Amino acid sequence: AQSVAQPEDQVNVAEGNPLTVKCTYSVSGNPYLFWYVQYPNRGLQFLLKYITGDNLVKGSYGFEAEFNKSQTSFHLKKPSALVSDSALYFCAVRDRGGGADGLTFGKGTHLIIQP
Amino acid sequence: EAGVTQFPSHSVIEKGQTVTLRCDPISGHDNLYWYRRVMGKEIKFLLHFVKESKQDESGMPNNRFLAERTGGTYSTLKVQPAELEDSGVYFCASSHLQDYTDTQYFGPGTRLTVL
Repeated sequence: AQSVAQPEDQVNVAEGNPLTVKCTYSVSGNPYLFWYVQYPNRGLQFLLKYITGDNLVKGSYGFEAEFNKSQTSFHLKKPSALVSDSALYFCAVRDRGGGADGLTFGKGTHLIIQP
Repeated sequence: EAGVTQFPSHSVIEKGQTVTLRCDPISGHDNLYWYRRVMGKEIKFLLHFVKESKQDESGMPNNRFLAERTGGTYSTLKVQPAELEDSGVYFCASSHLQDYTDTQYFGPGTRLTVL
């Protein structure tokens, strides 16, 4: 069975500082990895994905994520946080080799950017 | 291009009543997924349609839940009779059949409260 762990319920960062939202995963095969963001009263919005190749993936709004196979991690990063980045972030995984069709999500991490 | 839409945005019903949720996927997306997030927990996969066919319904909690996608366009998810534990946010997502990574685009969700 596949699983995703987001160890922090909340991350607080001052505006302008770099941010990291952590994600580790477990799958039996090779993963597709995704980050989604949910703003208040909105649906999940796709940010970026890792498929294969370069371990550093760039996505929307200046976000990027680094795939680390040995540590089974896919941490979300941004060099300089904005107050508007405050939202709920979800990491998700799908096993390329099969299993259930849907994505497996982590519990989500609240990112709070303080002015 | 219009995104995934869901109706209603909120629904409050009494235990034992019936509720039907609707999802309209992005035009041209043959894959349609239903997910549910119970308060404070992970977003859980419920089922997957390819066009009008149920591809995977391994996440459906019990036979009180019935999903349909007649004609392969919009989908409905009926809960009958509703129980207290069915409360949560129900998300719908869609994706292109030709996208081998299956990047899913989510709707805003329907918040269901069962009293």
